[in-house]
Amino acid sequence: SQTIHQWPATLVQPVGSPLSLECTVEGTSNPNLYWYRQAAGRGLQLLFYSVGIGQISSEVPQNLSASRPQDRQFILSSKKLLLSDSGFYLCAWSGTAYTGELFFGEGSRLTVL
Amino acid sequence: AQRVTQPEKLLSVFKGAPVELKCNYSYSGSPELFWYVQYSRQRLQLLLRHISRESIKGFTADLNKGETSFHLKKPFAQEEDSAMYYCALRGYQKVTFGTGTKLQVIP
Repeated sequence: SQTIHQWPATLVQPVGSPLSLECTVEGTSNPNLYWYRQAAGRGLQLLFYSVGIGQISSEVPQNLSASRPQDRQFILSSKKLLLSDSGFYLCAWSGTAYTGELFFGEGSRLTVL
Repeated sequence: AQRVTQPEKLLSVFKGAPVELKCNYSYSGSPELFWYVQYSRQRLQLLLRHISRESIKGFTADLNKGETSFHLKKPFAQEEDSAMYYCALRGYQKVTFGTGTKLQVIP
């Protein structure tokens, strides 16, 4: 069966420090991968999605970047965190068929101080 | 561009009352619509999708292309339905979510 792992679960970082959140999927190949930010009253904001290794589409220009160095690995990064980067980040995957549901990780809570 | 609108942030109903969570969308192509649910301390998970035309946990949703809506309905609310509900639209590769509606079922 397929599983998705996301870490770290919680992270407290100072302003200006770097960030790396990791997400890996097991039990499937060539998944579509997504990073969302979940905020109260703002729902799930799509940040990045990827349909293959090295292929990244950015939805919101901001202080973050994403990379997909391996088929089932998706990384969310920042060189210098801002206070506004605080939030709850969700990784998700779906099959490559046009139709299909998203499967979500447990999320990473980032607090920037 | 694709967009999903959920006009209600909070919906409070009494147990046994009917429930309708509203969702409207904007998309130029043929959309695929979903409802996702997040119970307390659990992962976000799929509740139902429009192409399946199924009833899950008593919930149904019908895609109305004329009104560009995909409202979620249940005839009799139960306490265990209390959760956060998100409407989602899948276009080509990209999945866009609404801002979510918190459903609170009062005993």
